[in-house]
Amino acid sequence: DAGVIQSPRHEVTEMGQEVTLRCKPISGHNSLFWYRQTMMRGLELLIYFNNNVPIDDSGMPEDRFSAKMPNASFSTLKIQPSEPRDSAVYFCASSSTSEYYNEQFFGPGTRLTVL
Amino acid sequence: GDSVTQMEGPVTLSEEAFLTINCTYTATGYPSLFWYVQYPGEGLQLLLKATKADDKGSNKGFEATYRKETTSFHLEKGSVQVSDSAVYFCALSDVNFGNEKLTFGTGTRLTIIP
Repeated sequence: DAGVIQSPRHEVTEMGQEVTLRCKPISGHNSLFWYRQTMMRGLELLIYFNNNVPIDDSGMPEDRFSAKMPNASFSTLKIQPSEPRDSAVYFCASSSTSEYYNEQFFGPGTRLTVL
Repeated sequence: GDSVTQMEGPVTLSEEAFLTINCTYTATGYPSLFWYVQYPGEGLQLLLKATKADDKGSNKGFEATYRKETTSFHLEKGSVQVSDSAVYFCALSDVNFGNEKLTFGTGTRLTIIP
């Protein structure tokens, strides 16, 4: 299996622009997680989906952030408009609830820089 | 709510030294416990896990024992290598309560000097 795939790997944009991050989970996994990692705040869970349905979005910072999962093999995280404080590494992870301990498999991340 | 507290870093050791990274947790149920490792420029990957009290997880020479009485899951390795340099995260999941979320500690950066 190719693992969790994220694109782009790096994104540099200007304040006010729309940014879309993409994730393809591992085939057969039915849960998907979006995380944000910064030096100041560490690793934060933004939102997670189970069977394509958002279960917990309490970590989404504000209305500028939105996430969708239109099918089992694709998810997006959108920031509109972007701000410099959104600069971070964004990780997508997936897991299978058929396994007792629900190991999460992480993608390589997207490093976002907002100027 | 659930929380994980782990040893502040950074930690710098010489090659072949003994490693301990402390981790304690607070949880409402009976969580599963994990150590994840993040190598430079990569995502997190599972290093080891333990799903019930007194379980010992082990992988790549690393070990951690689930201690319910002290609510701890300390990571140890007897002889570290330069290739072990990474950030280590302790985490828990209260799967028994149907909660798939992982609660992570803040991470401990480990640097091994040759």
